[in-house]
Amino acid sequence: QVQLVQSGAEVKKPGASVKVSCKASGYTFTSYDINWVRQATGQGLEWMGWMNPKSGKTGHAQKFQGRVTMTRDTSTAYMELSSLRSEDTAVYYCARVNGAVDYWGQGTLVTVSS
Amino acid sequence: DIQMTQSPSSLSASVGDRVTITCRASQGIRNDLGWYQQKPGKAPKRLIYAASSLESGVPSRFSGSGSGTEFTLTISSLQPEDFATYYCLQHNNYPPLTFGGGTKVEIK
Repeated sequence: QVQLVQSGAEVKKPGASVKVSCKASGYTFTSYDINWVRQATGQGLEWMGWMNPKSGKTGHAQKFQGRVTMTRDTSTAYMELSSLRSEDTAVYYCARVNGAVDYWGQGTLVTVSS
Repeated sequence: DIQMTQSPSSLSASVGDRVTITCRASQGIRNDLGWYQQKPGKAPKRLIYAASSLESGVPSRFSGSGSGTEFTLTISSLQPEDFATYYCLQHNNYPPLTFGGGTKVEIK
């Protein structure tokens, strides 16, 4: 069965970086894009960006310009967010796109606090 | 970018009620829309894809309709386990993906 398993919760100080992983199993990793979505506490879902695991090509929402980097290795996608601020405190999800989003990771809580 | 306007943002309903949630797209998106249910502390779960197709294993009380710019999620008879937040998500011009603002369904 398709699974996306994310890394554990992180606590970071303002200005630091965080790297979240998303390990895929149960399908051919290079066949579908991986997207990243975040959700601040009590808020809605916010799309951050996408990566094609086969080509490594990426794209992101304008608001994350210069701060987000998406990479991959054999079966794991990574999302790194730099220059963290308190407003980046959120649960970060990876999601598989097969036309539409069909599978989600369990989420990774990133807390930014001094 | 396409904007998705979801309404209402919250509603109170009783078990057995019929519930309708609407999403409006800022431009036509054919049927490139899904509906997702999210419970506290959990990842979203897809209920409907291609605007009106029921995901395998999802109860038949959930249904979706619409095409173009107007879409509806209907729960025909609300059950206790249906109290959650619901989101629409368009993928017509992916990337990007665009979410509706969410509808929190609460117990009346």
